[in-house]
Amino acid sequence: DAGVIQSPRHEVTEMGQEVTLRCKPISGHNSLFWYRQTMMRGLELLIYFNNNVPIDDSGMPEDRFSAKMPNASFSTLKIQPSEPRDSAVYFCASSPHSNQPQHFGDGTRLSIL
Amino acid sequence: GQSLEQPSEVTAVEGAIVQINCTYQTSGFYGLSWYQQHDGGAPTFLSYNALDGLEETGRFSSFLSRSDSYGYLLLQELQMKDSASYFCAVDNNAGNMLTFGGGTRLMVKP
Repeated sequence: DAGVIQSPRHEVTEMGQEVTLRCKPISGHNSLFWYRQTMMRGLELLIYFNNNVPIDDSGMPEDRFSAKMPNASFSTLKIQPSEPRDSAVYFCASSPHSNQPQHFGDGTRLSIL
Repeated sequence: GQSLEQPSEVTAVEGAIVQINCTYQTSGFYGLSWYQQHDGGAPTFLSYNALDGLEETGRFSSFLSRSDSYGYLLLQELQMKDSASYFCAVDNNAGNMLTFGGGTRLMVKP
C-alpha cells in the first residue's frame, strides 16, 4: 500500500514568494495532520482535519499560513508571503480515525532565502 | 497548556538495554505514544499506551503510569540501526491531536 505522499520533497525559494505544499493521505484515512519540525521548536502540530473539515488550526502560526482539504485524497498547506523563519521540514500525516497511529509522509524540506 | 519532558540525548552500546523516560503535564489525557525518527526521515509509530502498565512489541516495550504522568520506552538488545530520535507524544483529546516532546537522540555504539 502507498503511504502518505508529499510533494515537493525539497523547495528553495526567495522570501515573499508563495509556497504550496501538497499531501495525499493514505486511502481510507479520515484524519489528516500538518506538522512543522525545526531544531528550535521541535515537531509542532499546525492543523488537523477530520473528514476533510478543519477541526483545530490553533497551531497555525500566522495568517500567512493557510490549509485546505478539498477532498479526502488531497490537502495543501500554503504560505503567502513566505519568510526565512518559515524554513523547516513540513510533514503531513494521516490516521484511520481517532486513537489510531499516525502515518507520516517523508516531509517537504523548505528553505526560504 | 501542554508540556512533555524527555532527555535530550542517551548513549548505549550494542546489545544493551536503554530506557527513555517521558513526563508530561497536559490539560487532558487519552494516551501516550512513542515515535522513532531516523536522521532525515519521517517519524514512525512505535507504541501507544492508554492504560497503566506495560505494552510489549518485540524488542521494544512502553510503560505508562497515569497517576504519575509518566511513561517510558524500553529498548532491549540494542542494535546499531536503533540509533535515532525517539519522541513521546500525548494525545490530549479524542481527536488524536498529538503534542510531541522534544525528542531523545539515542546513539548506539559498537
